[in-house]
Amino acid sequence: TQLLEQSPQFLSIQEGENLTVYCNSSSVFSSLQWYRQEPGEGPVLLVTVVTGGEVKKLKRLTFQFGDARKDSSLHITAAQPGDTGLYLCAALYGGATNKLIFGTGTLLAVQP
Amino acid sequence: NAGVTQTPKFQVLKTGQSMTLQCAQDMNHEYMSWYRQDPGMGLRLIHYSVGAGITDQGEVPNGYNVSRSTTEDFPLRLLSAAPSQTSVYFCASSYSRSVDTQYFGPGTRLTVL
Repeated sequence: TQLLEQSPQFLSIQEGENLTVYCNSSSVFSSLQWYRQEPGEGPVLLVTVVTGGEVKKLKRLTFQFGDARKDSSLHITAAQPGDTGLYLCAALYGGATNKLIFGTGTLLAVQP
Repeated sequence: NAGVTQTPKFQVLKTGQSMTLQCAQDMNHEYMSWYRQDPGMGLRLIHYSVGAGITDQGEVPNGYNVSRSTTEDFPLRLLSAAPSQTSVYFCASSYSRSVDTQYFGPGTRLTVL
């Protein structure tokens, strides 16, 4: 059973456009992370959000954690070709063990 | 620091063969984990360890064994490879098991024929 669903699965846009990626769950999580992965490499952490309603900004990237801590979004303003990659959300699940469960991923391609 | 290293980078096995994927980290991290990545499935947790001598199962543990004899090393063993185990395998480590940055290795691409 996939606990974290991401949408869209694929996104191809032109340089300069804005986009939003969504990460949704039916469960409440203690915190949520966003990673970016480039071809042939492992994921790299972008941000961690822990408080319901929290908003964090990283240059042109804005991350939001839903009030009920069941969903999150990643908004990119004026996308650039360097933003191309696989974006993964990941949530801490399960009390003391704190297993990190990953979403299905959104593959973003920004065309110059 | 080398961070998290994985060997080999690529591997081809025949059905029924066994092998060990190596993972090492030099950051003195207590928490280490193994994931597999398949198209459209994101990363799925295979096994994890919260410290030397302590391991536990993740979402998809069947067909894999792990051990953690030292803080630095966390090898993943395939006992009898099956085509369903064709995947890209990532090892990750973090300082603690709570909210923390996970550092990933470069991955091992495994094909089972």
